[in-house]
Amino acid sequence: DAKTTQPNSMESNEEEPVHLPCNHSTISGTDYIHWYRQLPSQGPEYVIHGLTSNVNNRMASLAIAEDRKSSTLILHRATLRDAAVYYCILRDVIGGSNYKLTFGKGTLLTVNP
Amino acid sequence: DAGVIQSPRHEVTEMGQEVTLRCKPISGHDYLFWYRQTMMRGLELLIYFNNNVPIDDSGMPEDRFSAKMPNASFSTLKIQPSEPRDSAVYFCASSYVSLVSETQYFGPGTRLLVL
Repeated sequence: DAKTTQPNSMESNEEEPVHLPCNHSTISGTDYIHWYRQLPSQGPEYVIHGLTSNVNNRMASLAIAEDRKSSTLILHRATLRDAAVYYCILRDVIGGSNYKLTFGKGTLLTVNP
Repeated sequence: DAGVIQSPRHEVTEMGQEVTLRCKPISGHDYLFWYRQTMMRGLELLIYFNNNVPIDDSGMPEDRFSAKMPNASFSTLKIQPSEPRDSAVYFCASSYVSLVSETQYFGPGTRLLVL
C-alpha cells in the first residue's frame, strides 16, 4: 500500500486560512489522493479528492505538486466547526474497479477562536 | 436519503456473548465497508463488499468475526464470542463507484464495550 505522511497536529485561528500538508513520495501514476475528515464523535466524511490537477469544491481546495509526491488541503477560512482529524489517503486499487482506502493517523486540527 | 444507518448506536455486553452490528447502506450504493476504530490502532478496514459479494476480508482480525450481506440494503457484522479487546467504535460506510465519484459515506458508528 502506498503510504502518506502527515503532521500529527496543527493549530489555526478562526477566519484564517489553513494549509494541511501531506507527503506521498511512493505514489503511483493511478493513485487518487483523497481527503476525509472526522469531527468529534462522528464518522469520517469526504472532503475532496484529485489525481493531478488542483481541485476546488465548496469545502476546500486541493493543491497537488507537479511531481505528485505531496499535496496540500486548503481551508480558505477556518471556522470552529472545522476542528477535526484530517486524513490524507491514497486510494488502493485492488483489481478491476475494486478499491479500498487505508486511513493513517491523520492531522488533528485545532481552531482557536 | 437518510444516509448510512447503523444499529445499535451503543452496545455494552459481557465477554463471551455474541454481538451483532447492523448496517443499512445508502440506496443505490454498490459498495459496503466495515471499519473498526480504536485509539491504539486508528481506523482499520475489516471487510468490504461489492454487489453483496465479499471482496476483501483480510482485515478481519480472527475467526470470531464474520460479516454478511444478504441483500443490497442490509449487512451484519457478528462477533462470537466477544472479548474485551473488541471494544471499539465500528463504522459502516457505503459508496457508489463511477468514473467521477467514489466517495465513501460513513454511518454514525456503533460504540461497543465488552466487559
